[in-house]
Amino acid sequence: QSVLTQPPSASGTPGQRVTISCSGSSSNIGSNHVYWYQQLPGTAPKLLIYKNTQRPSGVPDRFSGSKSGTSASLAISGLRSEDEADYYCAAWEDSLSGLNWVFGGGTKLTVL
Amino acid sequence: EVQLVESGGGLVQPGRSLRLSCAASGFTFDDYAMHWVRQAPGKGLEWVSGISWNGGSTAYADSVKGRFTISRDNARNSLYLQMNSLRAEDTASYYCAKSSAAFGLDYWGQGNLVTVSS
Repeated sequence: QSVLTQPPSASGTPGQRVTISCSGSSSNIGSNHVYWYQQLPGTAPKLLIYKNTQRPSGVPDRFSGSKSGTSASLAISGLRSEDEADYYCAAWEDSLSGLNWVFGGGTKLTVL
Repeated sequence: EVQLVESGGGLVQPGRSLRLSCAASGFTFDDYAMHWVRQAPGKGLEWVSGISWNGGSTAYADSVKGRFTISRDNARNSLYLQMNSLRAEDTASYYCAKSSAAFGLDYWGQGNLVTVSS
């Protein structure tokens, strides 16, 4: 059971817009930034969104993030076949050490 | 270019120990906290452990607390995870990840598979 809650699956057709939700609590999303990771089959996770809404260089602007209260969302517009992957949300968990992270269970995105 | 290369995984019997290593390059290693994150076959990501830039602070997931120990050698640009009393449920690919206040877990290694089985 993951600390952050994501839908296990999502799907869309090429060109569509899809959103993936992530729900947490006051001790993680409610008080810290949200990060999103993309994991293509057989590869390591890759940072997609940091600090709720920011995209690292090289990440297309088709990907966008938002956060409100203890929930966050990842939106992918202009869906492409290469977007088919697993997506994970993550956040720091309040702790004495400041080192603890929590993840969502992941959402498998299928491009139909 | 940031590179994180894990090693030390493999097949181990339940109850035995294993030590993972992560060799870092392409950045100033002792400026950053580092973490281990694992992924059981076909499952999601699970944060395992983290260590501050100087090793002075560590943290563990409840699932590994008391069995795993994270450490680092800044002179060797290396991160370690000592895993004792291994269980079947520890079977996973283990990733080391660099952490920054600005970008979170921004770089990940390729992963190293640990299989706990008799």
